[in-house]
Amino acid sequence: GIQVEQSPPDLILQEGANSTLRCNFSDSVNNLQWFHQNPWGQLINLFYIPSGTKQNGRLSATTVATERYSLLYISSSQTTDSGVYFCAVDYGGATNKLIFGTGTLLAVQP
Amino acid sequence: KAGVTQTPRYLIKTRGQQVTLSCSPISGHRSVSWYQQTPGQGLQFLFEYFSETQRNKGNFPGRFSGRQFSNSRSEMNVSTLELGDSALYLCASRLSGTNYAPASFGPGTRLTVT
Repeated sequence: GIQVEQSPPDLILQEGANSTLRCNFSDSVNNLQWFHQNPWGQLINLFYIPSGTKQNGRLSATTVATERYSLLYISSSQTTDSGVYFCAVDYGGATNKLIFGTGTLLAVQP
Repeated sequence: KAGVTQTPRYLIKTRGQQVTLSCSPISGHRSVSWYQQTPGQGLQFLFEYFSETQRNKGNFPGRFSGRQFSNSRSEMNVSTLELGDSALYLCASRLSGTNYAPASFGPGTRLTVT
């Protein structure tokens, strides 16, 4: 089956710093999403980005489908950005089955 | 529009018991999928329902089952609970039956088996 790898596994930043999180996947995908898991466990949608670039405030994401990777950029990080970031992909036909990466644990220190 | 809701939010059960978790999708969404999150295994797909039909099932034992009702609400059941079933259970809903739409997740049910 498809493999999804995220890097780095852990990241510690000072408030105000920028960061780039990477997601590599081993096969063609129909869909790629980035999520932020809050301290209570809920997965918050950040981007639905099977290809191209999107921006939302301090966050932006780029997916290069032909090269099978996606990047999540966080600029001017804040302590509230702390948490785990997941990318997830699905592929194949008419079925909704997300395959998640192992996540990046981000800690933003004041 | 209200988001995906899950009940209960927290649950403590004893080994050997069974449990039923509920998920109400976003209004109009017809696809519901379930995921288990544990520290050791990460986020793993359990199953997916669309129009009351299970379309896909993950690699979990038969103790894990689910169903979807005509109003798209879904339930999952775990019978004969084991300690390893302690996890955060998340459900997600999607507007369409294809994966060309973003999935939205509920807050999860945290199950502890003692």
